[in-house]
Amino acid sequence: AQSVAQPEDQVNVAEGNPLTVKCTYSVSGNPYLFWYVQYPNRGLQFLLKYITGDNLVKGSYGFEAEFNKSQTSFHLKKPSALVSDSALYFCAVRALNQGGKLIFGQGTELSVKP
Amino acid sequence: GAVVSQHPSRVICKSGTSVKIECRSLDFQATTMFWYRQFPKKSLMLMATSNEGSKATYEQGVEKDKFLINHASLTLSTLTVTSAHPEDSSFYICSARSRVNTSYNEQFFGPGTRLTVL
Repeated sequence: AQSVAQPEDQVNVAEGNPLTVKCTYSVSGNPYLFWYVQYPNRGLQFLLKYITGDNLVKGSYGFEAEFNKSQTSFHLKKPSALVSDSALYFCAVRALNQGGKLIFGQGTELSVKP
Repeated sequence: GAVVSQHPSRVICKSGTSVKIECRSLDFQATTMFWYRQFPKKSLMLMATSNEGSKATYEQGVEKDKFLINHASLTLSTLTVTSAHPEDSSFYICSARSRVNTSYNEQFFGPGTRLTVL
């Protein structure tokens, strides 16, 4: 079965410090992986995706993610967190042969304190 | 580019009434649109997948007679919650996938609709 796990419900970081939001996946075949961010009462905003190629993917707002096939992980990172990065983050994998359907992780709430 | 809108953004209705939510791709054509339901601080639950010109595919446990989905054009899908009850209160989000380069592209999400059933 295909699945995505975000092991941390919440991540707390001080402003200016690096942040990591973890994601692991389980799929058969090559995964298409995505990160989305959601601000309160808003829809999801696309941050970045991994399809193929370089394992380090750079995305919007200074975020990046590293695809690690051996560890089946796709952790989201940012070198220096901003208070405005505080939001709900979702990792997702595209389900195979299901018309583009995404399987989402349970979400991680990121809180960046000044 | 790749903007998806939803209307209304917020709706309050009485129990037993029906509510229609529109999802539009504003600057691209969407072969596929998805409807999600989200509870507070929870992940998105896919309700159904909607392809233009064909019947929607519903996820297990989602009542298709209660949540009517129509994908009338490449830029518009509607979700109608029929005979709404308080337990249908939720945040409903749609997303759209471009018809161009469908193998790799991401879904673009609407801003969501907050439904409150009294």
